Amino acid sequence: DVKVTQSSRYLVKRTGEKVFLECVQDMDHENMFWYRQDPGLGLRLIYFSYDVKMKEKGDIPEGYSVSREKKERFSLILESASTNQTSMYLCASRKRGRGGYTGELFFGEGSRLTVL
Amino acid sequence: KNEVEQSPQNLTAQEGEFITINCSYSVGISALHWLQQHPGGGIVSLFMLSSGKKKHGRLIATINIQEKHSSLHITASHPRDSAVYICAVSPGNQFYFGTGTSLTVIP
Repeated sequence: DVKVTQSSRYLVKRTGEKVFLECVQDMDHENMFWYRQDPGLGLRLIYFSYDVKMKEKGDIPEGYSVSREKKERFSLILESASTNQTSMYLCASRKRGRGGYTGELFFGEGSRLTVL
Repeated sequence: KNEVEQSPQNLTAQEGEFITINCSYSVGISALHWLQQHPGGGIVSLFMLSSGKKKHGRLIATINIQEKHSSLHITASHPRDSAVYICAVSPGNQFYFGTGTSLTVIP
């Protein structure tokens, strides 16, 4: 069974703390994504990575960075957490498309982060 | 700007009813995805389609590429179908998501 695993389901952090959210997939997927999900706003892309050591900014990258040192692992880093980063964070992965093909998207269970 | 629009935003149905959720999009796409998210849960992919119609159990998804429109139908709805249904389109490497349709099926 394919799997995208996020390291923590629930985290509570204080303003200014550094936060690491880890995501691991076991499907040998090239593409990995970090989204945040907020009520009324839907899913918004923070960063995505199309291969190892490759990354591109999404719609809301400010305040976040990412790391993709190994194909199976994509980490999201909040250098200095702020209260407006309280949200649900979702990692996803998919096989790279070729010739216009778009692979199915697989999501992790999500990490609910509260910043006090 | 919203590349993907879903309707309705909220839907309440009696168990057994036939349900339709609509999705319209404004970009060229290689595929459209229907996703399901149960309360407090992760998101699972229901369908990925680029033309025609797909069926899985009581769920049916259709797409009209010319009209840039897709529908998700649920036949004989059941309380366990209560969830948020999200439409997503992919013109390339990235995805555009609708804000979701929250479905509640009452026994």
